[in-house]
Parts: sequence; structure tokens; C-alpha cells
Amino acid sequence: AAGVIQSPRHLIKEKRETATLKCYPIPRHDTVYWYQQGPGQDPQFLISFYEKMQSDKGSIPDRFSAQQFSDYHSELNMSSLELGDSALYFCASSLSGDRGPDTQYFGPGTRLTVL
Amino acid sequence: ELKVEQNPLFLSMQEGKNYTIYCNYSTTSDRLYWYRQDPGKSLESLFVLLSNGAVKQEGRLMASLDTKARLSTLHITAAVHDLSATYFCAVAPLLNRDDKIIFGKGTRLHILP
Repeated sequence: AAGVIQSPRHLIKEKRETATLKCYPIPRHDTVYWYQQGPGQDPQFLISFYEKMQSDKGSIPDRFSAQQFSDYHSELNMSSLELGDSALYFCASSLSGDRGPDTQYFGPGTRLTVL
Repeated sequence: ELKVEQNPLFLSMQEGKNYTIYCNYSTTSDRLYWYRQDPGKSLESLFVLLSNGAVKQEGRLMASLDTKARLSTLHITAAVHDLSATYFCAVAPLLNRDDKIIFGKGTRLHILP
């Protein structure tokens, strides 16, 4: 079965550079989430999209922005990168039901290293 | 603000033993998730609990939800080494259709052969 695809899997950037992370959700899933996970930390919710509209926002810095496109893939854009942005970035997708999102399926993650 | 607390945060146990991980949350919720994460890997969904009294089982893992007590448990029966991982619970606020899901700090489980 198709899973969530993220690219790139690894990314090395320098401070003050920009980065774009891509996420391709499972086909027919209507909700996409972005999470940031630092070393030894729990995943921190950044932002989500439901049917291509931003549905919720968490602890996402103003330097970051995200969008979901007509084909449902999503991109997380990160500017003015800081050392503290080094982390694993996960995308997840789910299909919403009457009670809200059901099981979230996580992608393999993008490991961002800022030097 | 919704807070999710797991305990213990670290657990080392012998194979064959039983143990329980607890997940408390601070505000009303009707959606609770359990995930497993191996080191350097992605998160794998284990259970989604959607109602008070919900109980789900998969192999040696069983999860339950008590929405009145704002408590979920993940019970491990006759642990085996392959279950060594970090287990996260995550909670979504009640009925506001928000997609924000708040994770606990995780329980790092190490099962000794």
C-alpha cells in the first residue's frame, strides 16, 4: 500500500539559508500535518491542512510557511535557518471522519541539519 | 492549554514481564492516539481510541481510554525484546475539529533479554 512520501530524506544547510521540504500524502487522504522532532524530544505540531486549507497552527516560527497544492502534496518552506532548526521533520496524513482525523500515517521524515 | 503527561518516561524491564504505561491529559478530549517510534525512525500508529471505555488490543499491546479520568493506558503483556522502542501517546482536543494533536514526552522502553 502507498505510504506518505517525503523528500528529501536528508538536507544540510547553512545558517540563514532557506529550505523546502516536500510531502506527498497517501492518496485520498484529506489532511496533512507537519511535525518537528528534535533529538530525544517528542514531535511538536507545526501546522496542518484539511482539503488544501490551513486547518490549524501550532508552534511554527514566523520564518516557516507551508501550503498544500491542488494535487494535495504539501511543502514546508523554512527561511533564515537557525542552528536550532536542526531536527527531524515529519509529515503525516489522515482521512477525516465524523469524529475528526482518524489514524495518522507518518512519512519517513526529513533530517535537516543546519551548520 | 492541553497538556499530555506520560509516565514513566524510561522503563527497563525483563522479557516475559507485564507493565503499564500511563498517559494523563489535562482537558477534555475524545481522541487519543498511541504511537511507536524506533530510534531514528518514523512514528508508527498503534491505536486510535475514540470513546470512553474503548479498549483495543494488538498482539502483546492493549490500550484503553477513560475520558472521565482523562487517562489512557498502554499495557504490555509478556514483553519481548522486539517491543523495545519509544511509545508516545497523543491527544486531540474535544470536538472542535482542530487537527492539532499534542504529544506526550514519550516512554522509552528497553526490554532486557
